[in-house]
Formats: sequence, structure tokens, C-alpha cells
Amino acid sequence: AQKVTQAQTEISVVEKEDVTLDCVYETRDTTYYLFWYKQPPSGELVFLIRRNSFDEQNEISGRYSWNFQKSTSSFNFTITASQVVDSAVYFCALSEALTDSWGKLQFGAGTQVVVTP
Amino acid sequence: DAGVIQSPRHEVTEMGQEVTLRCKPISGHNSLFWYRQTMMRGLELLIYFNNNVPIDDSGMPEDRFSAKMPNASFSTLKIQPSEPRDSAVYFCASSEGQGVGRTGELFFGEGSRLTVL
Repeated sequence: AQKVTQAQTEISVVEKEDVTLDCVYETRDTTYYLFWYKQPPSGELVFLIRRNSFDEQNEISGRYSWNFQKSTSSFNFTITASQVVDSAVYFCALSEALTDSWGKLQFGAGTQVVVTP
Repeated sequence: DAGVIQSPRHEVTEMGQEVTLRCKPISGHNSLFWYRQTMMRGLELLIYFNNNVPIDDSGMPEDRFSAKMPNASFSTLKIQPSEPRDSAVYFCASSEGQGVGRTGELFFGEGSRLTVL
């Protein structure tokens, strides 16, 4: 069975600090896909990234970066120089290749990020 | 361009009543998903459709829940009879589906917040 663990329930930072969100996953599949979604206070979920299990390259997008380490089954997310607009709940999610849809996701519990001015 | 449209945004009903939630996916998307979000269980997939056909309904909690997708532009999630434990935010999401060059992004609606008294 697949499982996604986000051990941090809430992280509070002051603006301009960096914040790293941890994500650890479990799966028996050799091919799988990892995702991060953001849920701002308005409620809708917004896609941030998809990473394939066979691609361990880290990725950077603006102030966001992701560190995928297959050896430790982790897919961590870092926000550099945080801003108040980054305040949201962030979800890590896993999809197995055996399914016929990347949208069939197992979500973690989410990490609430609070950025204060 | 319009995103995924859900209605109603809020619904308050009494136990035993029928509830129908509606979703209009993004035009051209061939996959549609219904997710439920609660404090206790987090985000969980209820059912998804590919090309209007239900593919996996293993997440539907009970026979009281049913979902249909009569055409590519409309889906419903029905609960009959409703119970207080059904209180949650129900999200509809759509995607282009898997394939080379695609991100696998799910586009979520704003959700329907259901309260069953």
C-alpha cells in the first residue's frame, strides 16, 4: 500500500526566512509520480510540480525548489525568502504507475505554512 | 478561460435529505475526479472518470454515494440519504490525462462545502 507522510503539521516563519517542508513516501512500485499542491486560504488546490520516480534531478522554479531523494524516499520542498502570500497548506501526493491516471493521488496530511511580516 | 466550476459552493441540509453536487470540468479535459476533504481523513479520492466512463469508484464510502458523468461537460455527485459524517468539502478536478509532454496537473474547483445537520 502507498503512503505519504508529512510530519510537520504547521511551520511558522517570518517573512524572508527559508522554509523546508518534508515529505516521505512509501510505495511498492518501481515507477511512480510525486506531486506538490498548494491550498491557499481561498480553498482551491493549485498544482506546483510533478516528479517522476526515474528522474532524481532536483528542480528550481523561482523561489521554490524540490529535493527528490529516492534512497530515503523523500521529496522535500523549500521556499526561499518566504513571503506572506506563501501562507497556505502544502500537500505532497503520490500516484503509482500501475494506475491509469496521474490524478489518482494519495495525499499527505498537509503542512500549514504561516508567514508573518 | 473558465476553470472547473462547482455548485453549490455551500450546502446546509438535514440528515436524511438528498444532496447533489455538480461539476463542470475544463473544456477538452478527458479525466474528472471527485475528492473529499475532512479534518479527520484529509484529502481522499472518491471516484474518477476517463472519457465520461467511471474507472475507479473504490473510494466511494457507501452505497449512499453515487456519481455520474452523462457527458464531457457535466458530472454530479449524489448523496442519498445524507448523514452528519458526510460533512466535508467536496472537490471536483479535471485533467488532460497522462501523456508525453503533459504535466499531470489536476485543476481543482473551489469546492462545495457540505454541512449535514
